[in-house]
Amino acid sequence: DADVTQTPRNRITKTGKRIMLECSQTKGHDRMYWYRQDPGLGLRLIYYSFDVKDINKGEISDGYSVSRQAQAKFSLSLESAIPNQTALYFCATSSGREEQPQHFGDGTRLSIL
Amino acid sequence: GEDVEQSLFLSVREGDSSVINCTYTDSSSTYLYWYKQEPGAGLQLLTYIFSNMDMKQDQRLTVLLNKKDKHLSLRIADTQTGDSAIYFCAEGGNYGGSQGNLIFGKGTKLSVKP
Repeated sequence: DADVTQTPRNRITKTGKRIMLECSQTKGHDRMYWYRQDPGLGLRLIYYSFDVKDINKGEISDGYSVSRQAQAKFSLSLESAIPNQTALYFCATSSGREEQPQHFGDGTRLSIL
Repeated sequence: GEDVEQSLFLSVREGDSSVINCTYTDSSSTYLYWYKQEPGAGLQLLTYIFSNMDMKQDQRLTVLLNKKDKHLSLRIADTQTGDSAIYFCAEGGNYGGSQGNLIFGKGTKLSVKP
């Protein structure tokens, strides 16, 4: 979905490095989410935000932090990357309307050596 | 807690119908969703169904919901090789007490053989 843009699309880095993944959206949605996807495990929620002043931990928030700089921007940081954080990371947005479908970016493939 | 279960793999022949099944646990879910993920891409919303509906049809896609058994299925008629992808079932959960979060299944990888 081109309305949800993730950067970078791919990143290879070393253990212990600080990494930031960016997400921006043009859909005007209030709600934004970060997930990671691992083979055989599906999608797991890391953090979510319902508006600029709202940050909530998801299922697997340890080792991650987020910043909601504006309605359109939601970044995910790994303060000190470790190899088991190697995964595909997705940002998603939703409007908060009753049917609340989430719209996903194309993902960031992160490899930590 | 909430859980969504799907079988991990399904293989069909081109032209046949595919049926992907899903069970969920949260009876308070308002909407249930099907997403498609093609290789190297994000999740694309295919369709969703309101919990007071039994069926929804959209071209080749038919969604059936059995709310009593908490069972959701996605039928793809005349399956094509381009339908090969991972299909995720998701429910509108109440994760952490906050409405609006989705609980995803682990995904069913559909392989379509020519």
